[in-house]
Amino acid sequence: EADIYQTPRYLVIGTGKKITLECSQTMGHDKMYWYQQDPGMELHLIHYSYGVNSTEKGDLSSESTVSRIRTEHFPLTLESARPSHTSQYLCASSGRKGLAGGNEQFFGPGTRLTVL
Amino acid sequence: KQEVTQIPAALSVPEGENLVLNCSFTDSAIYNLQWFRQDPGKGLTSLLLIQSSQREQTSGRLNASLDKSSGRSTLYIAASQPGDSATYLCAVLSNFGNEKLTFGTGTRLTIIP
Repeated sequence: EADIYQTPRYLVIGTGKKITLECSQTMGHDKMYWYQQDPGMELHLIHYSYGVNSTEKGDLSSESTVSRIRTEHFPLTLESARPSHTSQYLCASSGRKGLAGGNEQFFGPGTRLTVL
Repeated sequence: KQEVTQIPAALSVPEGENLVLNCSFTDSAIYNLQWFRQDPGKGLTSLLLIQSSQREQTSGRLNASLDKSSGRSTLYIAASQPGDSATYLCAVLSNFGNEKLTFGTGTRLTIIP
């Protein structure tokens, strides 16, 4: 059972609002990831982090930003939400290469965001 | 650049049948391959992880195989049940250090009661 949590699960907000999607894991994983997925479509990596104070942009350009101040916490922020940001956002984490089961990615339940 | 393909995109089979889902990847320099299940509107559930040095992994009614040299993996589901209906995704972790998964587009499986 994966111990990775996302809040809120569903969010409906108006255009221009600032939002933060929360992601936390209790597995002590050093690597964390944010993916964006439209219904029925592929997952796209938008941000990742290899550890505290490490963040990188993913393969899909995103107007969101992330921070990694604590190992267990990897929040994603949109400064000014727009309808084009409507999507499902999935957070994941993984442990160290070389360990038994290392680099197996575990996913949270996702946040479904709707911007009106 | 690694590319992962899953065929077919959708599959319907009667309950009780055994079935095989296919995954192929273009670059054989992989560290591991992971199979996931995704229910509609939900996150991904990790089913099986195969390290590059392994040939197969088993968990209950699921068996995943890996042929790294030919760039293929299969997920075998025995005695299918309606609860197995979901989208199945495979993803590879390439071996060149950036530790990012490359996902396939998935196979949407429907088990007919």
